[in-house]
Amino acid sequence: QQQVKQSPQSLIVQKGGISIINCAYENTAFDYFPWYQQFPGKGPALLIAIRPDVSEKKEGRFTISFNKSAKQFSLHIMDSQPGDSATYFCAAFVTGTASKLTFGTGTRLQVTL
Amino acid sequence: KAGVTQTPRYLIKTRGQQVTLSCSPISGHRSVSWYQQTPGQGLQFLFEYFSETQRNKGNFPGRFSGRQFSNSRSEMNVSTLELGDSALYLCASSSSQGFRTEAFFGQGTRLTVV
Repeated sequence: QQQVKQSPQSLIVQKGGISIINCAYENTAFDYFPWYQQFPGKGPALLIAIRPDVSEKKEGRFTISFNKSAKQFSLHIMDSQPGDSATYFCAAFVTGTASKLTFGTGTRLQVTL
Repeated sequence: KAGVTQTPRYLIKTRGQQVTLSCSPISGHRSVSWYQQTPGQGLQFLFEYFSETQRNKGNFPGRFSGRQFSNSRSEMNVSTLELGDSALYLCASSSSQGFRTEAFFGQGTRLTVV
């Protein structure tokens, strides 16, 4: 059972454009939603995270939007750069099981010049 | 502060063999979790150890096992390897269990079963 659905599977964005990745979850017990960035040959690295009591969180060019009623959240990358080309994973977990992350299937982002 | 260290980085094993992977967490971190990453199944949770005790376990067969030592270092063992076990195995450490602390991942061990 896939508890976190992520789309699109791949995304090509021009430099300077906005990259948008969407995730939807089923388990209403999830109460923390991190996004991870993974470069080839590397492990995932935490990018930004949000709790469901907040509708939006921004860190630099990265913004998470959260819609608790729809059980959806999304990552927006503003002014996308070639260095942002990586695979992005949304994830979710339940407080009390901090290390048991449930991941989305990943989005491979390519930012072209 | 050193990150999460996984050894070896690459492994090639034959079907039917067993393998042991090692993970050294960030100093001071007591929780270590393991994930399997494959193109088809994505990132899947294997198990978590905290203070030498397995606290959570994913839906993997009993061939997958692990342990944690008193210094928080962890090992993962896969017995009777199958071709489908070929994957990137990732270890993540966090400072404590039950809190919203972030998980830091190592670079992984790429296991190829032939």
